[in-house]
Amino acid sequence: IAGITQAPTSQILAAGRRMTLRCTQDMRHNAMYWYRQDLGLGLRLIHYSNTAGTTGKGEVPDGYSVSRANTDDFPLTLASAVPSQTSVYFCASSETSGTTGELFFGEGSRLTVL
Amino acid sequence: GQNIDQPTEMTATEGAIVQINCTYQTSGFNGLFWYQQHAGEAPTFLSYNVLDGLEEKGRFSSFLSRSKGYSYLLLKELQMKDSASYLCAVKDSNYQLIWGAGTKLIIKP
Repeated sequence: IAGITQAPTSQILAAGRRMTLRCTQDMRHNAMYWYRQDLGLGLRLIHYSNTAGTTGKGEVPDGYSVSRANTDDFPLTLASAVPSQTSVYFCASSETSGTTGELFFGEGSRLTVL
Repeated sequence: GQNIDQPTEMTATEGAIVQINCTYQTSGFNGLFWYQQHAGEAPTFLSYNVLDGLEEKGRFSSFLSRSKGYSYLLLKELQMKDSASYLCAVKDSNYQLIWGAGTKLIIKP
């Protein structure tokens, strides 16, 4: 049972470079999310998608973009990485975006921007 | 603004009981979640409360008081594997999850 797969697990990146974090789920969930987790802070929503073909901005969307071409894939792109984007990134999914939607998380992608 | 408060760190003894509190101020309320996150791993779902009262699930229970903007997670018969961070999150009126910073629970033998 794969659930949610993220890649890469870890990456060191030079500032200014473009980077795409991949996320694939095999649960046929409608809703998908990208969060970043920084020490001392709660998970912060970057972008979300309630269903294939739609996306929305979360709390901290600047510098990031997403696409949702199909149900399974939800890549996150950093167009020009900056050191403040050093973080652990979690992709998550839920069956729906409604009230009782328990989130299932990927294992995370640790990104360091130098 | 929206805010979730929980203690940064707690220490407890193996076999004992610990209560982790969470207070929230959000624009609207559509449910409160608790997640467990072991160091270096992904968060995993523990519990969901939308009505006032206690929800029991094995060694873990979660309580909610909407009028007080308050929840707690109760862990009984603590085991070493319970050492983890516990994240409180509230769904606001737009069904967006607002997360607390998490409580790191250290279990000592």
